[in-house]
Amino acid sequence: EVQLEESGGGLVQPGGSLRLSCAASGFTFSSYWMHWVRQAPGKGLVWVSCVNNDGTSTRYVDSVKGRFTISRDNAKNTLYLQMNSLRAEDTAVYFCSTGDSHAFALWGQGTVVTVSS
Amino acid sequence: QTVVTQEPSFSVSPGGTLTLTCALTSDSVSTSHYPSWYQKTPGQAPRTLIYNTNTRSSGVPDRFSGSILGNKAALTITGAQADDESHYYCVLYVGSGIWVFGGGTKLTVL
Repeated sequence: EVQLEESGGGLVQPGGSLRLSCAASGFTFSSYWMHWVRQAPGKGLVWVSCVNNDGTSTRYVDSVKGRFTISRDNAKNTLYLQMNSLRAEDTAVYFCSTGDSHAFALWGQGTVVTVSS
Repeated sequence: QTVVTQEPSFSVSPGGTLTLTCALTSDSVSTSHYPSWYQKTPGQAPRTLIYNTNTRSSGVPDRFSGSILGNKAALTITGAQADDESHYYCVLYVGSGIWVFGGGTKLTVL
């Protein structure tokens, strides 16, 4: 079965860190760009970051630059998002997605990140 | 900063046809922005409807279609059904490996 499964979310204090993971199965992970997209409570979807097929190129939305790092391990079919210096406004459901034809094709169910003291 | 705008809300009667739009504040939307459309229901993962302007994702009924209308991307739903009531998001590729979502449209079918 083709699927993405996020993990690693939780409650963290402002200024803290979390690492999200996204395990891929059922398809050739290394063939696809990968993305993180988030949705804050009551808000819309926001593209956060992407990484190319071999992990050599990354991009970020301005609000997370310098704090978040996207990476991937193609041997483990896993995408990561290291989140440092977390702020209350980073509270959201984080989704991973495959990139295909300049769009978001396959989605995971999301993992919840709550930044609060 | 690139801003993508969508109608905040839209209402349609069952069986009706509607068109949602997706605009750039600073430019015209073209196929080079690879517009795509997603349906998002609370508690669920987004569902990909349309990509590359007008290509339906696998399993999406042909009631959903995408296009460029004037200087905007558009999602048209024909024969609206009750379970189409949801939030709809467009996203545009703005170059340099950056994507921007619109603010979303809340569709009500009543």
